[in-house]
Amino acid sequence: AQSVSQHNHHVILSEAASLELGCNYSYGGTVNLFWYVQYPGQHLQLLLKYFSGDPLVKGIKGFEAEFIKSKFSFNLRKPSVQWSDTAEYFCAVNAGDDKIIFGKGTRLHILP
Amino acid sequence: SAVISQKPSRDICQRGTSLTIQCQVDSQVTMMFWYRQQPGQSLTLIATANQGSEATYESGFVIDKFPISRPNLTFSTLTVSNMSPEDSSIYLCSAYGAGPNEQFFGPGTRLTVL
Repeated sequence: AQSVSQHNHHVILSEAASLELGCNYSYGGTVNLFWYVQYPGQHLQLLLKYFSGDPLVKGIKGFEAEFIKSKFSFNLRKPSVQWSDTAEYFCAVNAGDDKIIFGKGTRLHILP
Repeated sequence: SAVISQKPSRDICQRGTSLTIQCQVDSQVTMMFWYRQQPGQSLTLIATANQGSEATYESGFVIDKFPISRPNLTFSTLTVSNMSPEDSSIYLCSAYGAGPNEQFFGPGTRLTVL
């Protein structure tokens, strides 16, 4: 069965620090990968996604993620975080069926 | 894009009662999903709801506890039956637009069971 692991449950950074949130998935075949973000009091929204092609995916708000197939990873990065990036981030995988499986989420807190 | 609304946004219920959560999408969608997000946990898929057929439940979830209706392409309901405090959670409705690459979420229903 598919599963998604997010290594960090809670991350605290200062503004302008660089961010990397880890995500690993377990599935041997072709996958579609996603990062979702949930700002305080708001809906889940899609940050970026990977289906095929360039493994370095750029999303909204300066976020990017790199798909490394050999490592089953899809880590999320941002070179310089802002206070407004405070949110919960979810990695998710779709393994070609109709379901998207989510990781447990990483709560990111940016200190002003 | 699709806009999804849920009712109620939150509720506090007594043990042993049932609550029906409504999910409305502003456009026709093929697949709708119900997730549960317990405190400190990930989103866990409860079931997939397709119009015109019975819902497909994930392991650990059963129809008697979480009956689902999908009467048309824009609406679905999830009932949490015979509630216990362990059912306290946020319940999220979700829908695909063109496919899993375009998934939208409702705002969630925060349920507290006393």
